[in-house]
Amino acid sequence: GAGVSQTPSNKVTEKGKYVELRCDPISGHTALYWYRQSLGQGPEFLIYFQGTGAADDSGLPNDRFFAVRPEGSVSTLKIQRTERGDSAVYLCASRSDVGTEAFFGQGTRLTVV
Amino acid sequence: ELKVEQNPLFLSMQEGKNYTIYCNYSTTSDRLYWYRQDPGKSLESLFVLLSNGAVKQEGRLMASLDTKARLSTLHITAAVHDLSATYFCAVGIQGGSEKLVFGKGTKLTVNP
Repeated sequence: GAGVSQTPSNKVTEKGKYVELRCDPISGHTALYWYRQSLGQGPEFLIYFQGTGAADDSGLPNDRFFAVRPEGSVSTLKIQRTERGDSAVYLCASRSDVGTEAFFGQGTRLTVV
Repeated sequence: ELKVEQNPLFLSMQEGKNYTIYCNYSTTSDRLYWYRQDPGKSLESLFVLLSNGAVKQEGRLMASLDTKARLSTLHITAAVHDLSATYFCAVGIQGGSEKLVFGKGTKLTVNP
């Protein structure tokens, strides 16, 4: 596709439920990132994929958060037992092997009620 | 741990005026990015600065990087209302993931 695509754009879920957020990167981009942006803050790094593997997951806040990228393209961020504090905009970005710039998707606004 | 500080966090200015936003960071890096974010929207890349002394300009915005001082600036010339947005600087962690560490953002409001 022309840009990074994220679905859904908005997700409201009840506390304790499980959610999945999807990211479709720019075609051919091997590097994929997930960031989380809380209200009034800058984005914070969660996890980085190079191809299919999670090369750096140091930003995941706890073991309720997990992400996969099984075929090296689409990635899914999974959050178990959601808490109100998980409410934020989740941003995905991708970058080519030779590029220095990451391109961001529109984000998924997650609200846990 | 890399820390990125932007100031000011809020900036209200009149059309036609000039101003500078500052971005300081705590450890060595020569990859500095500026993004613009409109309310409810994602991040739009403005500038990529990859070496000491790099200067880039686009329209009324000019960005520079001093890696020795660990400082980047975003200068606004003759502001117009359309520049109202939140501006983020981000520093790249070199090697490995090349992940970005963002500042808290500067919310710019340009008044007619």
